[in-house]
Amino acid sequence: DGGITQSPKYLFRKEGQNVTLSCEQNLNHDAMYWYRQDPGQGLRLIYYSQIVNDFQKGDIAEGYSVSREKKESFPLTVTSAQKNPTAFYLCASSIGAAPQHFGDGTRLSIL
Amino acid sequence: RKEVEQDPGPFNVPEGATVAFNCTYSNSASQSFFWYRQDCRKEPKLLMSVYSSGNEDGRFTAQLNRASQYISLLIRDSKLSDSATYLCVVPNTGFQKLVFGTGTRLLVSP
Repeated sequence: DGGITQSPKYLFRKEGQNVTLSCEQNLNHDAMYWYRQDPGQGLRLIYYSQIVNDFQKGDIAEGYSVSREKKESFPLTVTSAQKNPTAFYLCASSIGAAPQHFGDGTRLSIL
Repeated sequence: RKEVEQDPGPFNVPEGATVAFNCTYSNSASQSFFWYRQDCRKEPKLLMSVYSSGNEDGRFTAQLNRASQYISLLIRDSKLSDSATYLCVVPNTGFQKLVFGTGTRLLVSP
């Protein structure tokens, strides 16, 4: 079955450490997205990519980095510059303007 | 006006009740709108898309009022399993960027 796979489901970061969240899709979607959700808040866009080897900053890109070397993969790195990384991270994909399909998320916490 | 605004609720209703949520948006150029359902600690899942005046799918009806810039979601004959947070989503003009509302929480009780 086609879908979006995020890993790991839970992740703990030590202070000063960079961590990478994985997102893989086999839906053959061109566009991929990373969102962050904090308790009681809506989803906020971190980065998005409409084609391979191209990506754009979203609303809250500071302290994050991404790459898009393959159509299927869009990993997100949470760098040590992100001082408040504790959140629920959601990856999504879509074809053009079609609604986005989500992975089941990664919960990141600070040790 | 915020880009997307929803009443956070919670809306507490008994089983079988009809409940409606409203969502206002600021971008008058938006052409498509979406309702997502999000269960506690889970990912959002698409519930309905709205491209014209409205859409109906079983017990769920979404209506669009372009003049007043709001969309509504009506749930008839509420089930316990309808308990969730409902997110209103409006695309920005230009790129494939969606703006998510903070959600309206629904609690259906026996």
